[in-house]
Amino acid sequence: VLTQSPSASASLGASVKLTCTLSSWHSTYSIAWYQQQPEKGPRFLMTVDTYGGLIKGAGIPDRFSGSSSGAERYLTISSLHSEDEADYYCQTWGTGIRVFGGGTKLTVL
Amino acid sequence: QVQLQESGPGLVKPSETLSLTCSVSGYSISSGYFWGWFRQPPGKGLEWIANIYHSGSTYYSSSLKSRVSISVDTSRNQFSLDLSSLTAADTAIYYCARDGERTTGGPADYWGQGTLVIVSS
Repeated sequence: VLTQSPSASASLGASVKLTCTLSSWHSTYSIAWYQQQPEKGPRFLMTVDTYGGLIKGAGIPDRFSGSSSGAERYLTISSLHSEDEADYYCQTWGTGIRVFGGGTKLTVL
Repeated sequence: QVQLQESGPGLVKPSETLSLTCSVSGYSISSGYFWGWFRQPPGKGLEWIANIYHSGSTYYSSSLKSRVSISVDTSRNQFSLDLSSLTAADTAIYYCARDGERTTGGPADYWGQGTLVIVSS
């Protein structure tokens, strides 16, 4: 249902765009992005809907933004900090179901 | 600020039943939202297990449904998970979270810190 690249990397201070691809059957679904720093629990970042509408979690910096195009949902992180090195998961949902992507491990160089 | 805290045994034997409790503060479970359990095997991704509404409506992962039970105690502002017939494959960090506002779903916007459960004799 949700496909993510296993890994990504970008330099300190640069920007990176992570992608979550929905299956064709679910291409209009909203998704959520989560950040999981090493040895920590997941942190809700934002929801992204099919129109690119965003709802951010509490305290999420402006450096984190989302967008949408077709079946793809994006998470863009600008001005990368060292603490942005983490695993990023996307998730979608329906009645009685929650599905996660496999996660993308982001390395900040 | 909504806060969640998992509690339960860190080590359980194969074939036994795991019981975990999530204590919620900063928000009354009776006010709404679904409340859910998730897990993450070591080095692997996230998996949803089940969720419950304050009224008692429940939903379960199809892969775990035969072994899982979730319940809520609104008087204590807690909800709990039972997972039976444990095997080594159930070894994971177990998280509780506020799991969406509507029956049709939504993001898990607040999470506990997680509790590691090891299944071993």
